[in-house]
Amino acid sequence: AQSVTQLGSHVSVSEGALVLLRCNYSSSVPPYLFWYVQYPNQGLQLLLKYTSAATLVKGINGFEAEFKKSETSFHLTKPSAHMSDAAEYFCAVSSGNTPLVFGKGTRLSVIA
Amino acid sequence: EAQVTQNPRYLITVTGKKLTVTCSQNMNHEYMSWYRQDPGLGLRQIYYSMNVEVTDKGDVPEGYKVSRKEKRNFPLILESPSPNQTSLYFCASSLIGLSSYEQYFGPGTRLTVT
Repeated sequence: AQSVTQLGSHVSVSEGALVLLRCNYSSSVPPYLFWYVQYPNQGLQLLLKYTSAATLVKGINGFEAEFKKSETSFHLTKPSAHMSDAAEYFCAVSSGNTPLVFGKGTRLSVIA
Repeated sequence: EAQVTQNPRYLITVTGKKLTVTCSQNMNHEYMSWYRQDPGLGLRQIYYSMNVEVTDKGDVPEGYKVSRKEKRNFPLILESPSPNQTSLYFCASSLIGLSSYEQYFGPGTRLTVT
């Protein structure tokens, strides 16, 4: 069975600081990994996805994530936080033909 | 515009009164799914469908029904809603091949059962 653990239900950073949201996964077969973002009162939208090509994946709004098989991690980063990045972020894993399994989410706050 | 639509967006109802939340997508996606989102629990899958007339239980199917008579529509039915089904519900769709294709989400339906 697959699972996703997002470390930290709430992360707070200053505007302009590095954003690091952590995601570790468990999968018995090579995984596909996703990061989604949910802005207040909206649905989820895809930030980026790893599908066994390049291990460093670039997404929208300056976010990127690196797949590290040895660490079973897929952490999300952004060099400089912007106020508009405040949202909830979900990591998700899928493999084979199994439905996406989501982590519990991390709420990102950006302080001016 | 490619999208997933849900109706209604907000619903307040009473225990036991049957309700249906509609979901429709215009992307010709084979796969559709329903999730509920609760504070501290993240997204949990209720039901999913790989294609017309093919549905499967997710992690939390109790108290819900679905049907997939047409490719574009995937309604969620609560035959006898209870207060523990108060939640934010999302419908999503994707091309088949769940693994590598992103899921597109609807805007959500906030349900309150009193």
